[in-house]
Amino acid sequence: DADVTQTPRNRITKTGKRIMLECSQTKGHDRMYWYRQDPGLGLQLIYYSFDVKDINKGEISDGYSVSRQAQAKFSLSLESAIPNQTALYFCATSDSGTGKINEQFFGPGTRLTVL
Amino acid sequence: SQQGEEDPQALSIQEGENATMNCSYKTSINNLQWYRQNSGRGLVHLILIRSNEREKHSGRLRVTLDTSKKSSSLLITASRAADTASYFCATEASAGTYKYIFGTGTRLKVLA
Repeated sequence: DADVTQTPRNRITKTGKRIMLECSQTKGHDRMYWYRQDPGLGLQLIYYSFDVKDINKGEISDGYSVSRQAQAKFSLSLESAIPNQTALYFCATSDSGTGKINEQFFGPGTRLTVL
Repeated sequence: SQQGEEDPQALSIQEGENATMNCSYKTSINNLQWYRQNSGRGLVHLILIRSNEREKHSGRLRVTLDTSKKSSSLLITASRAADTASYFCATEASAGTYKYIFGTGTRLKVLA
């Protein structure tokens, strides 16, 4: 969905490096999510935010941190990247102000490789 | 562990046939959703069924929900090559949290 953008789309980094993945949305949604997907598996929730002042841990938050700089921006940081963080990372949004609060809109993903 | 488990893990059918995939979950839910993912891309929402609904249709999609068995099925009728994708069910970690748990997915391949 072009309304949810992620940068970069691909990133190769080395063990121990700190990196940031960014997500921006023009949908005006208040809720934003970060997921990771390992090959052949489903998505695992890393962090989620219901508004600018709200940050919540998901299933697998260890080794990650987030920042909700504005309603439209939600960044994911890997403090010290390790090889098992190699995965596809997705940002998603949803809108609590409509009757479709549960419907999530996903970005195109960031493919991260940690060497 | 994943809340939702899809079955089968992979499915290969001929164009025009129907495809059925199943999802089982563990906790009480307010609703269950199905998403499609084309290879390496973001997920796209297909349909949501509420806990008080037993069946829902959207175009060629038919979803059923059996809360007593904690299971749902997604039927795609008259499949097309463009339906080739992975399909995931998603439920809330617990009802009302808006914290979603995705299943492991069914990889559907529709042969032309």
